Amino acid sequence: EVQLVESGGGLVQPGGSLTLSCVASGFTFSNYWVTWVRQAPGKGLEWVANIKQDGSDKYYVDSVKGRFTISRDNAINSLFLQMHNLTPEDTAVYYCVRELESSGVYYGEYWGQGTLVTVSS
Amino acid sequence: EIVLTQSPATLSLSPGERATLSCRASQSVSRSLAWYQQKPGQAPRLLIYDASTRATGIPARFSGSGSGTDFTLTISSLEPEDFAIYYCHQRTSWPLPFGGGTKVEMK
Repeated sequence: EVQLVESGGGLVQPGGSLTLSCVASGFTFSNYWVTWVRQAPGKGLEWVANIKQDGSDKYYVDSVKGRFTISRDNAINSLFLQMHNLTPEDTAVYYCVRELESSGVYYGEYWGQGTLVTVSS
Repeated sequence: EIVLTQSPATLSLSPGERATLSCRASQSVSRSLAWYQQKPGQAPRLLIYDASTRATGIPARFSGSGSGTDFTLTISSLEPEDFAIYYCHQRTSWPLPFGGGTKVEMK
């Protein structure tokens, strides 16, 4: 069974930092692109960043470029999101997502249950 | 930047009725579009990808159609567990936006 378990969320002050983790199981982690998607309370979904199987390609939404860093460690089946200079607009549930590839296009097939990040003083 | 507009914002229907949800893109996304279902307190679930391909384990009452800029998700006969929010998502052009969602609520 595919499982993605996020951790690391919590309350942080504006300007602070946090690192999210996602541990994958039930599949060969190193074979898949993986993604972070977030959802502000009561709002819609926002794709944040994703990373290629070997970590050589990474993409970010403009609003987090220069502040967030996505990384992975295939040896321990883990995905990370380092977040710096956080603002209240970063408050959201952050989901770890395994991508499905179809003819070169990628879709979020499996989702973790999410971890809540709250940025507030 | 591509914008996805979903309509209606809310759909009030009864179990057994047919639901038709629309997603319109501001420019062509070919067939690189997915539909997700999200229930309160849960993560989204992939229903449809490549505009019309059902994801693993998705019941046949869910179907997707369209290409270019106009897409439709159809639920042929609503089951009680189908009342949820549905999002479309394009995978053609950065920053890969989602639509604003359609809430399917019980009438």
